[in-house]
Amino acid sequence: DAGVIQSPRHEVTEMGQEVTLRCKPISGHDYLFWYRQTMMRGLELLIYFNNNVPIDDSGMPEDRFSAKMPNASFSTLKIQPSEPRDSAVYFCASTFRTSGGEDTQYFGPGTRLTVL
Amino acid sequence: KNQVEQSPQSLIILEGKNCTLQCNYTVSPFSNLRWYKQDTGRGPVSLTIMTFSENTKSNGRYTATLDADTKQSSLHITASQLSDSASYICVVSARQGAQKLVFGQGTRLTINP
Repeated sequence: DAGVIQSPRHEVTEMGQEVTLRCKPISGHDYLFWYRQTMMRGLELLIYFNNNVPIDDSGMPEDRFSAKMPNASFSTLKIQPSEPRDSAVYFCASTFRTSGGEDTQYFGPGTRLTVL
Repeated sequence: KNQVEQSPQSLIILEGKNCTLQCNYTVSPFSNLRWYKQDTGRGPVSLTIMTFSENTKSNGRYTATLDADTKQSSLHITASQLSDSASYICVVSARQGAQKLVFGQGTRLTINP
């Protein structure tokens, strides 16, 4: 398996523009997570899905952020309009939850977003 | 408030030496604790995961300990190698729904030759 795939790896955009980040989870995994990482705040969970359904979006900073998972192999995180404070590395992770709950999340390489 | 505190923030040691990273948490109710290694420019990779009943778990030269009474964990690295240079993140899972994770800020470890 190629692991979790994210695109693009780097994105530079201007304030006010729409940004779409993409993620392909590991085949067979039924949980998908979106995280944001900054130097100041570390890793933060934004939203996660189970079987393509959003379960907890309490980490989404504001209405400018939205995430979708139209099928088991694809998810998007959209920021519209983008702001400089959105600059961060965005990670997607996936896992298959075992009955014992000892699941391991597998992270993608991340998308480094810079909003000018 | 659920929190995970890691220390030190950064650490520099010589290749071949041992080191120990600390993690204190106030997450409740506790489900499990994980240590992740994150190389620069990459996503975190899981090293160990421990539940309430486990005191220690090893993964090669990495050994994690957990004291659920004092809510402390440590990650011990033996005979460090240059490739151990990375950030190490402690993550605690709270039993609040399926996947509520609380992340520490990480310890930045540098191994010098």
